[in-house]
Amino acid sequence: GENVEQHPSTLSVQEGDSAVIKCTYSDSASNYFPWYKQELGKRPQLIIDIRSNVGEKKDQRIAVTLNKTAKHFSLHITETQPEDSAVYFCAAWNTGNQFYFGTGTSLTVIP
Amino acid sequence: KAGVTQTPRYLIKTRGQQVTLSCSPISGHRSVSWYQQTPGQGLQFLFEYFSETQRNKGNFPGRFSGRQFSNSRSEMNVSTLELGDSALYLCASSADRVGGYTFGSGTRLTVV
Repeated sequence: GENVEQHPSTLSVQEGDSAVIKCTYSDSASNYFPWYKQELGKRPQLIIDIRSNVGEKKDQRIAVTLNKTAKHFSLHITETQPEDSAVYFCAAWNTGNQFYFGTGTSLTVIP
Repeated sequence: KAGVTQTPRYLIKTRGQQVTLSCSPISGHRSVSWYQQTPGQGLQFLFEYFSETQRNKGNFPGRFSGRQFSNSRSEMNVSTLELGDSALYLCASSADRVGGYTFGSGTRLTVV
């Protein structure tokens, strides 16, 4: 089965700095990679996703990059703000199979 | 457009009892997945239903079961509850299993 590893488990950045979270996966058949943000006591919310036929996707301050050869993908948040503080989960999906989630990264943006 | 609705939000049960959780997906979504979230284990996949059929199942004991109705609403049942079943149970729905899964707010189950 798939194995998704996520690093770091905790991350603290100063407001305005960039944050990068990395995930690796093991199954080369995985073809969809979403990122979810979960604020304390709330539901995970999809913030960005990427499919295996794309190398990079950007949405305002958030971007995701995918390296299929190395089997890793990363979340980049630029110009961080206090409201970006949350737990971020990466996931890998093999169509017709299931999601495998990373263990989460707790991001704290220090004002 | 209404989101994914899970009921109840909170539940306290005693060891040995059984419990049924409900998930109503976004209108038009036919895929419903269930996850268990705990501080130690993160998000663990339970099972997925699409068009009333279970398509995938995670590594959970047979005490965990589910079903999906013709209107795509799904229920999850846990029998013979154990203390370790205390968790946040989340469901997520998608139109076509290809992506764009939206999560509900979850049901917080506490087993005492």
